[in-house]
Amino acid sequence: QVQLQESGPGLVKPSETLSLTCAVSGYSISSGHYWGLIRQPPGKGLEWIGTIYHTGSTYYNPSLRSRVTISVDTSKNQFSLRLTSVTAADTAVYYCARHRTAYGDYNDAFDIWGQGTKVTVSS
Amino acid sequence: DIQMTQSPSTLSASVGDRVTITCRASQSVSSWLAWYHQKPGKAPELLIYKASILKSGVPSRFSGNGSGTEFTLTISSLQPEDFATYYCQQYKGYSTFGQGTKLDIK
Repeated sequence: QVQLQESGPGLVKPSETLSLTCAVSGYSISSGHYWGLIRQPPGKGLEWIGTIYHTGSTYYNPSLRSRVTISVDTSKNQFSLRLTSVTAADTAVYYCARHRTAYGDYNDAFDIWGQGTKVTVSS
Repeated sequence: DIQMTQSPSTLSASVGDRVTITCRASQSVSSWLAWYHQKPGKAPELLIYKASILKSGVPSRFSGNGSGTEFTLTISSLQPEDFATYYCQQYKGYSTFGQGTKLDIK
């Protein structure tokens, strides 16, 4: 079955760059679907960060656009997040997820999620 | 952006109860709405998409209704595994989520 696995640094210092990778197994990213990143600060709700298609097309939350880059590596069947100039407000569990429709777009529900990786921003 | 507001924020109920959670959008999202539940320490799980379509494998005690700006999620007979936090998500524009409704045991 399709599985997503996040891998991240655990701890990032303020003003530095957070890098995180989402590895997909059981499905080829190149076959379809859009792939997204969502985060959840401690004790809070969910925030969509952005989404990528295997062609490299990206869509970002306007509130994060200036600091976010999402990229895809189809040869490794994974996609990655870079978030620059992090602050304590970026402390969260970061999730990778698949948008539901195989030939849809980024405006879609998320049907498969990774288990999440906790990232803390602290000196 | 489209703001999503859920009510109530917390709901206490018993096994076997029928419960309803409401989600309101700041502008029309047509039927582009999904519902998730999330258990502590776990990722959210999709229950319903396009306002009323049950994801395959989700029990039929869950149902969704609404369109435009007002939506409901109803659980017809609560089971022990249903005690969790529930989120709505609109995806007419870029995705935004409600703040969550925590459903706990009375």
